[in-house]
Amino acid sequence: QLQLQESGPGLVKPSETLSLTCTVSGDSISSSSYYWGWIRQPPGKGLEWIGNFYYRGSTYYNPSLKSRVTISVDTSNNQFSLKVRSVTAADTAVYYCGRHSKGFDSWGQGTLVTVSS
Amino acid sequence: DIQMTQSPSTLSASVGDRVTITCRASERISSWLAWYQQKPGKAPKLLIFKASNLEAGVPSRFSGSGSGTEFTLTISSLQPDDFATYYCQQYNSYPLAFGGGTKVEIQ
Repeated sequence: QLQLQESGPGLVKPSETLSLTCTVSGDSISSSSYYWGWIRQPPGKGLEWIGNFYYRGSTYYNPSLKSRVTISVDTSNNQFSLKVRSVTAADTAVYYCGRHSKGFDSWGQGTLVTVSS
Repeated sequence: DIQMTQSPSTLSASVGDRVTITCRASERISSWLAWYQQKPGKAPKLLIFKASNLEAGVPSRFSGSGSGTEFTLTISSLQPDDFATYYCQQYNSYPLAFGGGTKVEIQ
């Protein structure tokens, strides 16, 4: 059974870098059938797509975040990571990782990251 | 970039009602549209893919239709478990985009 689990600090200071990891079990992130990605949701607001990657090296980012975001892949541990640089309070959100083909058909439980000093 | 607009933003309904939510794309996206249901504190759940295809395990009272720029999600007979927020998402092209959401409330 496919499972995705986000992990990382729940509190990040303004201007620092937010770092999260998604650990996948039950499927390989090197699968040719799927993209994998990150989505976030500020408290009380809607969903915002952050970025997707395909194991052969294609990576796509939301233009509104592209200058501050990097998605990297660790196929040996079946994990992928998100870094958001120079964070502000506006980056406070629940961050989800997910598997994408026909939409996001599997999601992690989400992790709340608060940006505050 | 493609923008997704949902209406209404909030919908009040009763158990047994037929409910329709609309999603409009700023450009043609063929049928590359997904619908999700989200309950408080939970991750979204995929309901419909490719505009009208029911994801496995989703009750048949949910249906989707449309193509091009206009799409609808219909719940044929609203059940207590259906009170939630619903989102559409286009995956015709990058950047991917979600609609703003429709909250279905108890009337």
